Amino acid sequence: EDKVVQSPLSLVVHEGDTVTLNCSYEVTNFRSLLWYKQEKKAPTFLFMLTSSGIEKKSGRLSSILDKKELFSILNITATQTGDSAIYLCAVEEDAYNTDKLIFGTGTRLQVFP
Amino acid sequence: EAQVTQNPRYLITVTGKKLTVTCSQNMNHEYMSWYRQDPGLGLRQIYYSMNVEVTDKGDVPEGYKVSRKEKRNFPLILESPSPNQTSLYFCASSSTYMPYNSPLHFGNGTRLTVT
Repeated sequence: EDKVVQSPLSLVVHEGDTVTLNCSYEVTNFRSLLWYKQEKKAPTFLFMLTSSGIEKKSGRLSSILDKKELFSILNITATQTGDSAIYLCAVEEDAYNTDKLIFGTGTRLQVFP
Repeated sequence: EAQVTQNPRYLITVTGKKLTVTCSQNMNHEYMSWYRQDPGLGLRQIYYSMNVEVTDKGDVPEGYKVSRKEKRNFPLILESPSPNQTSLYFCASSSTYMPYNSPLHFGNGTRLTVT
C-alpha cells in the first residue's frame, strides 16, 4: 500500500534552534514530493522536489530529496515563533488517468521564544 | 487576489440533514479537489475534477457527492450527513489536471460537526 510517513509527529524547540523534519515514502510511480506549511487554516505550498540530490531553498527553509532511499528532509534554521505550524509532506503518484497526492499526517512544530 | 474560497468556515448540523459546502476559485484552474483532514490520518482525497463535467472518486468518496457545472465552482454535497463525517474539509485547485505541474492551492477549510 502506498504511504507517506512523517517524523517526528511533534517537535518543540526554542527560537534560534535548527530543526529537521523527515518524510519517507513508498509509492508505486513517484512523480514529485511536496512540502506544505499549515498554520491555522489553509496549507500553503513550500517546495516541490522532483530530482534527487538537488536542494531547494527559500530563506531559512531548505529541502532535499533522496529518491534512492525514498525520503526527503525539510530543514529550518534559526527558527522563529512564526515557524510554528504543521508541516505536511505529500508525494505525487502517477495514477491511472491523473496524478494523485498522498499526504503524510504531518509534523507539528512549536517554536517558543 | 488569487484564492480558493470555501463557505461556510464552520458548520454544525444534525444527522441526516442535507448540506452543501461551496468552493470557488478565481484562478481559472482546471483541476479541483476535496480533501478531509482527520487527526492521525492526514489529508485524504474525497473527490476530484479534471475539468467541467468531469469528476472522479478519490480515496474516501462514500457519503459525498460533487458537481462541476462551471470551471470556478466545485461544491461538496452531503446528502445525509453522519457523525463520522465530522472533520475539517479543504477544497483545492491547480492550474492543470496533472497536479505535479503546479502545486495545489488550498481554501481556508470548513470545520464540520455532525451531531
